[in-house]
Amino acid sequence: ELKVEQNPLFLSMQEGKNYTIYCNYSTTSDRLYWYRQDPGKSLESLFVLLSNGAVKQEGRLMASLDTKARLSTLHITAAVHDLSATYFCAVDYNNNDMRFGAGTRLTVKP
Amino acid sequence: DAMVIQNPRYQVTQFGKPVTLSCSQTLNHNVMYWYQQKSSQAPKLLFHYYDKDFNNEADTPDNFQSRRPNTSFCFLDIRSPGLGDAAMYLCATSRDFRETQYFGPGTRLLVL
Repeated sequence: ELKVEQNPLFLSMQEGKNYTIYCNYSTTSDRLYWYRQDPGKSLESLFVLLSNGAVKQEGRLMASLDTKARLSTLHITAAVHDLSATYFCAVDYNNNDMRFGAGTRLTVKP
Repeated sequence: DAMVIQNPRYQVTQFGKPVTLSCSQTLNHNVMYWYQQKSSQAPKLLFHYYDKDFNNEADTPDNFQSRRPNTSFCFLDIRSPGLGDAAMYLCATSRDFRETQYFGPGTRLLVL
């Protein structure tokens, strides 16, 4: 059975700092998603990574995928308070069975 | 310009009283999904439809049923809600399998 592990689960960082969130998964997959969720709100799609070596960037967030290592990273550059949210990675396997990681709750402090 | 709409946004029901949650989409997507998300947990897929073809996750309780009368609408029926069914229920759509899913705002269910 597919397992998706994120770490850290909780992350408190200061504005202006850099940090990386990791997403490991246990079964072969060539498709990985990153979502953002604000408290009490729904999920917003951030990135879809479709192949080994894929890298995507949007603003202060950059995501990458290494399918051989079964690892994706979400890198935060020069964090700002507006990035405070919970970030989920999700792995697509077995034809549309999607499993989410437990989420990383990010708090950016001034 | 809401693309995935869920109603109601908040639903309070009594233990054992059937409840129906609604989802509609304007994207004309083929696939519609229902997820359950409990507090501070990841979303858990309950089932999905590809057009009219229904796929139930193996561990989705029988208490949960779904209907998709047409492309735009999908319903989640909880036949006899228990206290453990209190959660946020998220509807999502995608154009096809293995494509980005677009989530609705969710319905927060409270069971008294």
